[in-house]
Amino acid sequence: SAVISQKPSRDICQRGTSLTIQCQVDSQVTMMFWYRQQPGQSLTLIATANQGSEATYESGFVIDKFPISRPNLTFSTLTVSNMSPEDSSIYLCSVDWQGNTEAFFGQGTRLTVV
Amino acid sequence: QKEVEQNSGPLSVPEGAIASLNCTYSDRGSQSFFWYRQYSGKSPELIMFIYSNGDKEDGRFTAQLNKASQYVSLLIRDSQPSDSATYLCAVFSTDKLIFGTGTRLQVFP
Repeated sequence: SAVISQKPSRDICQRGTSLTIQCQVDSQVTMMFWYRQQPGQSLTLIATANQGSEATYESGFVIDKFPISRPNLTFSTLTVSNMSPEDSSIYLCSVDWQGNTEAFFGQGTRLTVV
Repeated sequence: QKEVEQNSGPLSVPEGAIASLNCTYSDRGSQSFFWYRQYSGKSPELIMFIYSNGDKEDGRFTAQLNKASQYVSLLIRDSQPSDSATYLCAVFSTDKLIFGTGTRLQVFP
């Protein structure tokens, strides 16, 4: 499987600021995904990061709040913009390995907004 | 809205017993099913996947799929305290993985 490095692993941020989370994969992958896991909850897909085109966002998530970049087949970033305490969550990057449907996850970014 | 449902638990089993975790899904067209294990504070780890009706065994883990009943389960034999974690069921539906809320498993010595 792919090795997925995500950073930062955790951060505490002031409300109103923005945080960019990076996801680096050791191999080229077709699909990269960004999930959110709120405390005590399951994973919710935010968007699919497409190489060379705009990300595809799920219902309830918008580009202005969660801009995503995917400059190549091994890297993506997710920005959480104009943060509020409700954005406190774990953000997870995942990839599909070799075009399969199962997802492999990075170690996650634990974000606390104060 | 496509859904994946799990009992949140906790499911408590003694060490050495069989733990049975269950999941139902709403999208009858789903073809791929996954079980992830998530330790507290860690990211999910894929432990099993199954595509065909019936059983699939891997070590102490057995995944069972019944598409007619839209039901997938995970059996953990000879449960160990190290198996204590939250187990997430995921279903590939409409080009994305949809996760259940997870079942917390507690294995006590």
